[in-house]
Amino acid sequence: QVQLVQSGATVKKPGSSVKVSCKASGGTFNRDTINWVRQAPGQGPEWMGRIITRLDSTTYAQKFLGRVAVTSDESTSTVFLELSSLRSEDTAVYYCAHEVRGVFDFWGQGTLVTISS
Amino acid sequence: EIVLTQSPGTLSLSPGERATLSCRASQSVISNFLAWYQQKPGQAPRLLMFGASNRATGIPDRFSGSGSGTDFTLTISRLEPEDFAVYYCQQYGDLFSFGQGTKLEIK
Repeated sequence: QVQLVQSGATVKKPGSSVKVSCKASGGTFNRDTINWVRQAPGQGPEWMGRIITRLDSTTYAQKFLGRVAVTSDESTSTVFLELSSLRSEDTAVYYCAHEVRGVFDFWGQGTLVTISS
Repeated sequence: EIVLTQSPGTLSLSPGERATLSCRASQSVISNFLAWYQQKPGQAPRLLMFGASNRATGIPDRFSGSGSGTDFTLTISRLEPEDFAVYYCQQYGDLFSFGQGTKLEIK
């Protein structure tokens, strides 16, 4: 089964950028679709975007267009989420999730990103 | 964007009782592409159901899903202690969106 291991918690200043990694194993990376979902404290999950690795094709939620980028590195089976122009409302746990036919069957452990001056 | 509204916000029940959780969509969910997830504190969500009524691998048969169009239901027939958690619905027919969750707590 697929395992996703994410980078550790981080604190960023308002206006800066953050890059979170998600290393996949146990599947076939160049045939995977990996999504990014975030969850603010006490809130429901919020979908941010995804990458279809074999096509290097990305789709993003309208809300994040212009300040989000999802990329992948096949040589290390790692997917990255970069979010720029950070503000306090971006404080959340960020998850990567493996997608199969639209559902998210395997999730990373989550990465807490705290925005604080 | 399809907005999913879950009710109730909190459901207080005892082990052995039946739980019924609702998820209503702001517009019809394409091909009933509706999933349910369970989340416990400090953990990632876990896939329970997909296609409105299909259990994911390893999910016990006390969990069942139903519904179509804009109204969907997750039913847990006899609650076990490990079922007390937060439950989210998700639609994947038009990109992706999640509900705000139903917290199932022990009465």
